[in-house]
Amino acid sequence: GEKVEQHQSTLSVREGDSAVINCTYTDTASSYFPWYKQEAGKSLHFVIDIRSNVDRKQSQRLTVLLDKKAKRFSLHITATQPEDSAIYFCAASNTNTGKLTFGDGTVLTVKP
Amino acid sequence: EAGVTQSPRYAVLQEGQAVSFWCDPISGHDTLYWYQQPRDQGPQLLVYFRDEAVIDNSQLPSDRFSAVRPKGTNSTLKIQSAKQGDTATYLCASSLTGVGNTLYFGEGSRLIVV
Repeated sequence: GEKVEQHQSTLSVREGDSAVINCTYTDTASSYFPWYKQEAGKSLHFVIDIRSNVDRKQSQRLTVLLDKKAKRFSLHITATQPEDSAIYFCAASNTNTGKLTFGDGTVLTVKP
Repeated sequence: EAGVTQSPRYAVLQEGQAVSFWCDPISGHDTLYWYQQPRDQGPQLLVYFRDEAVIDNSQLPSDRFSAVRPKGTNSTLKIQSAKQGDTATYLCASSLTGVGNTLYFGEGSRLIVV
């Protein structure tokens, strides 16, 4: 089955700097790649996604890049703010089953 | 619009006891998921339904876990004879059918088995 790996378990940046979180996946049939944010003591909520028919998607301070050849995707956050501090989960969904597989999360800390 | 509702929020069990978790998805969402999230790990899919039908339960430990969604709306996840390894947060999520539809998660049910 699909395996999604997040290569940084923690990431610390200064407020105003950029943060990049990287993920890889194994299943070439995966076609949909969402990102979810989990703030302390709360559940997951959707932040941004990318589909396999494009290689870049931007929404305000968030950009997702997808490299299908390398089976790699990344979340870029610019001008980080303290409220960006949270656990970020990447995920991949199989085209055929729709099953969403998550990585283990990256704890992002934005220091003032 | 109401979000995904789960109950109870917390449960503490002795090994061997049983517990049921309940989920009320967003109205109109035909797909419902149960995920297990151990501490410091990502959510791991246990089972998901489209309406009342089980689509994938391959990761559900079938000897002790069961899940139903009898009318295609609310769902119950039951754990019988709980083990310490079941300690985790159980997340329910719902979505519309189709790849690429956003999953909306509930607040989760935190289970501790001692």
